[in-house]
Amino acid sequence: ETGVTQTPRHLVMGMTNKKSLKCEQHLGHNAMYWYKQSAKKPLELMFVYSLEERVENNSVPSRFSPECPNSSHLFLHLHTLQPEDSALYLCASSQDIGAGANVLTFGAGSRLTVL
Amino acid sequence: GQNIDQPTEMTATEGAIVQINCTYQTSGFNGLFWYQQHAGEAPTFLSYNVLDGLEEKGRFSSFLSRSKGYSYLLLKELQMKDSASYLCAVRDSNYQLIWGAGTKLIIKP
Repeated sequence: ETGVTQTPRHLVMGMTNKKSLKCEQHLGHNAMYWYKQSAKKPLELMFVYSLEERVENNSVPSRFSPECPNSSHLFLHLHTLQPEDSALYLCASSQDIGAGANVLTFGAGSRLTVL
Repeated sequence: GQNIDQPTEMTATEGAIVQINCTYQTSGFNGLFWYQQHAGEAPTFLSYNVLDGLEEKGRFSSFLSRSKGYSYLLLKELQMKDSASYLCAVRDSNYQLIWGAGTKLIIKP
């Protein structure tokens, strides 16, 4: 399998649940990202990992907890979410971060609904 | 603050030409990207401009003017499959990507 794969594609959870989103890339990229996409809003960068180390945490609430066990896998652990957290969560990867084109390759996203 | 502006929605006719504009105000500039996103799918890379001028790739072209903080994406010979959202993003001086909210393009027969 190639590209960036995200599971699950759809998730419905209550405010007290704990769930995790998974992302896997088979491109040999060194950087991985979590973005939040809400309707009619710009993509919001949540976390960036480069060579398995977190390099960016954009003031994301602690109810979102990322994990990067190796350069191919990225998780987003969710707990005690709020209804306003309902959105499409996109995972992306790039060869590196910083200078250069470093085009992002995105997964299809996990559509999260918090009841 | 940093800002990317693009129209929310545009409508065009199959076979025609459409131009989607993007204006930006950012702290520095290290390249501008266009991505296409079909409903329910992943955004996919279309083009990258770092120098002024026009980059052509088949039916799609992207133009950049750094002095004006302006770019456009030109789509020729429109096809129904071009119905999608088009996202403009600028990399600032810290190599952070600043995203526009996207332009939803509707193609009518």
